[in-house]
Amino acid sequence: QKEVEQDPGPLSVPEGAIVSLNCTYSNSAFQYFMWYRQYSRKGPELLMYTYSSGNKEDGRFTAQVDKSSKYISLFIRDSQPSDSATYLCAMSEGGSEKLVFGKGTKLTVNP
Amino acid sequence: DAGITQSPRYKITETGRQVTLMCHQTWSHSYMFWYRQDLGHGLRLIYYSAAADITDKGEVPDGYVVSRSKTENFPLTLESATRSQTSVYFCASSATGSDYGYTFGSGTRLTVV
Repeated sequence: QKEVEQDPGPLSVPEGAIVSLNCTYSNSAFQYFMWYRQYSRKGPELLMYTYSSGNKEDGRFTAQVDKSSKYISLFIRDSQPSDSATYLCAMSEGGSEKLVFGKGTKLTVNP
Repeated sequence: DAGITQSPRYKITETGRQVTLMCHQTWSHSYMFWYRQDLGHGLRLIYYSAAADITDKGEVPDGYVVSRSKTENFPLTLESATRSQTSVYFCASSATGSDYGYTFGSGTRLTVV
């Protein structure tokens, strides 16, 4: 079993839809959780960062962490065509331990 | 310019040739990383460095060599390029390890023919 599992999609939604992206993980020592957004032919950029459990909101984006279920989510409200990208989850035990990435979910928001 | 820059952006090379991909960051971050990204595999760590003159293997190090004589530079060398090394290569850096994530460069798209 991989440490981090992420459905690769692709996911196609109409503009204005609520998008839910998810990752599951197996390492209970993970405590730093991130979402990266990667546009085509660009490098990944950090979108959301959460420490331990709970929710974090930033504009149209909400990140949720459920450590008891080993499950993290990213919600995008009122999705826009500019949100079309690949979204990668990443997590870590912290410190010198390396980030572990999901394989990414490709999202297309259709106008 | 501040940030992390990779060069070249695109490279085509022949099988068996040596090629070096460059990575430069202006923040004096301690940690630097090299990843390759391939369809179906996601990001795979090739090598990383916790400080100047300290490097270590990642998940897929075979066929690659790194060095880090200066904090700001972390070149990746393919000693004898093979077609299986055709990929997009990303360099990343971090000041504090993994706590707050990594900052990635724009990538080098390498084609080995």
